[in-house]
Order: sequence, then structure tokens, then C-alpha cells
Amino acid sequence: NAGVMQNPRHLVRRRGQEARLRCSPMKGHSHVYWYRQLPEEGLKFMVYLQKENIIDESGMPKERFSAEFPKEGPSILRIQQVVRGDSAAYFCASSLGTSGFDEQYFGPGTRLTVT
Amino acid sequence: DAKTTQPNSMESNEEEPVHLPCNHSTISGTDYIHWYRQLPSQGPEYVIHGLTSNVNNRMASLAIAEDRKSSTLILHRATLRDAAVYYCILRDAETSGSRLTFGEGTQLTVNP
Repeated sequence: NAGVMQNPRHLVRRRGQEARLRCSPMKGHSHVYWYRQLPEEGLKFMVYLQKENIIDESGMPKERFSAEFPKEGPSILRIQQVVRGDSAAYFCASSLGTSGFDEQYFGPGTRLTVT
Repeated sequence: DAKTTQPNSMESNEEEPVHLPCNHSTISGTDYIHWYRQLPSQGPEYVIHGLTSNVNNRMASLAIAEDRKSSTLILHRATLRDAAVYYCILRDAETSGSRLTFGEGTQLTVNP
């Protein structure tokens, strides 16, 4: 059973370009989460999605960032007009449910570098 | 999510047991205690969780105080691969919604 897949693992973008990060959840998981880890900082929640729905985007910056989880295909985190401050590791996680006892399984992350 | 307090860092020797403490004095009756760890340059990894009783799995044991205001993650025989940041996180069974709220965690160093 494959784990959470993320690609690309490393992404380099110039300021002003767009970054697209992909996440395929574990088989059978319909809940997807995105977290960001800035250099030398902790992990911060960004957004929680179910198929075709954004459930909680309270941790995502209002501008330039968007996320989707279509009926078919991976979840996408999109960052438009990237700035140097967007350089970070972006982790995707998935879970079977959302109760207090459900664990989240994380992917290896995408390391975004903005030059 | 209720707040947890962990030491910033701990050190252990290889093949010795490690006890990682976590204080959660404001825990509610419906909060589950979860532990995750993050190895260098990797995504977080689920370790164990419990509600009231002590729990064991292939990775670790979780000892929960009788009043539930603290817990201890126990690695029975530390290996070099266990060097990581360990996070203690509370999740409410009814209102946690979705997110995991990561604190600063405990940086565990394992000496050969």
C-alpha cells in the first residue's frame, strides 16, 4: 500500500513565477491536509480538503495561495507570483477520518526554493 | 486544541530507553494524546496515540498519568534512527476538526 506521494520533491522558481505542488493521498483516504514548514520554524497547518471541497482554509494566506482536490487526480497546492518568503517545505498529509483518534499520514514534502 | 509543554531537547545513548515527557494540564476529557516525530529532512511520522490507558505498539509505548495531565513517550531501545523532533499533540474527539497543531517539540539526540 503506497504511502502519501508528493511531487516534485524539489522545486525552484524565480520570483513572480507560479508553483504547483501535487499530493496523492493514501489509497482509501479522502481527507487531505497541507502544512508548511518555513526554515528553522515549526509546522503550520494551511488547508484541509475533501474531494471537491475546501473544508478549512484558515491557515492559508488569503492572496496568491489556492488549493484543490478534484474528483479525479491529486490534490494541488498552487502559489501564484511566488516571493522569496514562500521558500519552505510543504507537506501533504491524508487520513481516513477526522476524529480525535485518526492519525494523519504525511508525504515526504516538496521543498520550494524561490530565487 | 489544548496546549502541551515539552522540553526543548533531550539526549540519550544508543540501545538505552528514552522517556520523553509531555505536560498537558488543560487537557479535556475528550482529548486524545498523539505523538508524531519528524526525522531530518523528512515529513512527520505518526508514532502512537491514546486516551486514558497506556498503549503499546511496535514503535513505542505511551504512558498516561492517572489524572491525564501528563504523558510519557517511551522508546524502549533507542537507535540512531530515532534521532528526531518528537511532537506531543492533543486532539479533541468531537471538535478537533482537521488540523494538527504542532508545537516546538523535543529534539532527541541519540549518541552512539
